[in-house]
Amino acid sequence: GIQVEQSPPDLILQEGANSTLRCNFSDSVNNLQWFHQNPWGQLINLFYIPSGTKQNGRLSATTVATERYSLLYISSSQTTDSGVYFCAGGVQGAQKLVFGQGTRLTINP
Amino acid sequence: EPEVTQTPSHQVTQMGQEVILRCVPISNHLYFYWYRQILGQKVEFLVSFYNNEISEKSEIFDDQFSVERPDGSNFTLKIRSTKLEDSAMYFCASRGDWGGQPQHFGDGTRLSIL
Repeated sequence: GIQVEQSPPDLILQEGANSTLRCNFSDSVNNLQWFHQNPWGQLINLFYIPSGTKQNGRLSATTVATERYSLLYISSSQTTDSGVYFCAGGVQGAQKLVFGQGTRLTINP
Repeated sequence: EPEVTQTPSHQVTQMGQEVILRCVPISNHLYFYWYRQILGQKVEFLVSFYNNEISEKSEIFDDQFSVERPDGSNFTLKIRSTKLEDSAMYFCASRGDWGGQPQHFGDGTRLSIL
């Protein structure tokens, strides 16, 4: 099955900074999602982005399907952005999602 | 916006007891999933369900686990005889039956086995 690697594993930034999180896939995927897990454990869906670029406020994501990676950009970070960010990919069929290990983002005031 | 709802939010059970976790997927969705996340680890796929049968399951999903769609709205995960290592957050997800759709996740049930 596919393998998903996320980097960096941990990221500590000051409020207002920008950040880039990366997700690499071992094989092609046709479903790719980014999630933010908040302190209560909820998985908040950020983007469904199997290819191309999307933006939502301070967040944007780009997936280059042919090179099997995706990037999540967070601009002007706020303390509420803290948490763990997961990417997950799926392939044909029922498209179960395979998750990466996550990037733990800490935004300090 | 329609949501996937899970109950209970937290379940505490004695080892060896049976537990049923409940999910109400989004109403017009046809693919259903269970995932679990052991504390501090990544989210892992357990099982997918389509057209009233299991379409795929992971090696975690052994004979102690079962899923059921008892009516038109609920989707349940049963663990027959719980073990300490079953303690985790369990997430239900659903997806529409048309191409290019994301999976929508519920808020999870935190299962604690004593």
